[in-house]
Parts: sequence; structure tokens; C-alpha cells
Amino acid sequence: EVELVESGGGLVQPGRSMKLSCAASGFTFSNYGMAWVRQAPTKGLEWVASISTSGDNTFYRDSVEGRFTISRDNAKSTLCLQMDSLRSEDTATYYCTTNNYGWFAHWGQGTLVTVSS
Amino acid sequence: IMLTQSPATLSVNQGESISLSCRASQSISTNLHWYQQKPNESPRVLIRYTSHSISGIPSRFSGSGSGTDFTLNINRVEPEDFSLYYCQQSNSWPFTFGSGTKLEIK
Repeated sequence: EVELVESGGGLVQPGRSMKLSCAASGFTFSNYGMAWVRQAPTKGLEWVASISTSGDNTFYRDSVEGRFTISRDNAKSTLCLQMDSLRSEDTATYYCTTNNYGWFAHWGQGTLVTVSS
Repeated sequence: IMLTQSPATLSVNQGESISLSCRASQSISTNLHWYQQKPNESPRVLIRYTSHSISGIPSRFSGSGSGTDFTLNINRVEPEDFSLYYCQQSNSWPFTFGSGTKLEIK
């Protein structure tokens, strides 16, 4: 069974950094593109970033480009999101998802990031 | 690419058959996917590439459309279907979601 478990969320001050991790199991991690999708409180879903199977190709939404970095360690079946220069508008639940062929097949339970002073 | 979902809220009785709409701001071929999200749960995919079924999803869910107009159909709504529904396009970066349709009990 596919399992994605996010960690690393919490309260952080504006301008500071935070790193999210996602531990994957139940499938061959290196065969799947991966992504982060977020959801602000009471709002809809918003794609954040995607990474190819090898990690060579990454894609970001404009509002996080240059501030966020998506990465993966296929040997450890782990996906990460380094978030720098955080803003209040980054406050959201962040979901780790599989992202082959453009759709998001499997989702983690999410981790809440709150950016506030 | 903007995705516009309508209606924002749909009130129906259990057992009714319904259609939810998703309209794209430009043609996205059939690169459109549907998700369901229940309160305090993660989303789950219902339909991929407009009309392709997903293993484990009840057959009462189906999709249709192409280009800019898409529809999610639910044949005879069950109690567990009352939740939020999102469409998402993968035709071009950045991937985008619609704002959602809430299906509620009348």
C-alpha cells in the first residue's frame, strides 16, 4: 500500500526558513515524479512544485520560484521542500503527492505550516 | 490556465444524478482530472484524463469533455458523496486547480 508521510511543519516567523520532508513507502519511489500541493485554511488546492523521477528537472509556481527548493533522495525514498523567506501567504497545509503524467494519484495526510510573528 | 467550476455549491437529494462543470480559459485537450475532498481529509483522485477511471473509485463517477468544457457526473448520489470536488489541468505549467464545487444535502 502506498504511504506518504509528511513532517516538518509548524509555526515559523516571516522571513525565516523551514524544511518539509515526506517519507514514501509501498511503491518504487524512484519510478514516480513527485510534487507538493498546498491548501491555505478554508481555501482551495494550489500546486507548489514538482520534481522528475531522477531529480534533474524541477518546476515551481511563480510565487515560490527562487524561495522554495524541491528535492528528492531516491535511496532513502524521501521528498523534501526547503522553504526560505517565508511569507504569511505561504501559510497552508502542504501535501506530498505522486505526480506521474500530470495528475496526483497518491496524497499524504499533510503538514500544516503557519507563518506568523 | 484558469479553471472555473460551477456551481460553487450544489444542493441535491440522495439518489439524484448530477453533473459538475469545469471550464478552462483555453484549450487543454483532455488533460483534466477530478478530485474529491472530504472535511479534514486529503484529496483523492476520482477521474484522470477527463474520462479514465481510477482503481477503487465507484463506477457511479464518470467524466466527459474536451478542449475547454468538462463535466464530472455522479449517477445516483450516495451519502458519502457529499463533499468538495476539484478539477485540475496538466496541459501546461503551472498546473492549476479549479476553486471547487461543494456538493451538499438538500
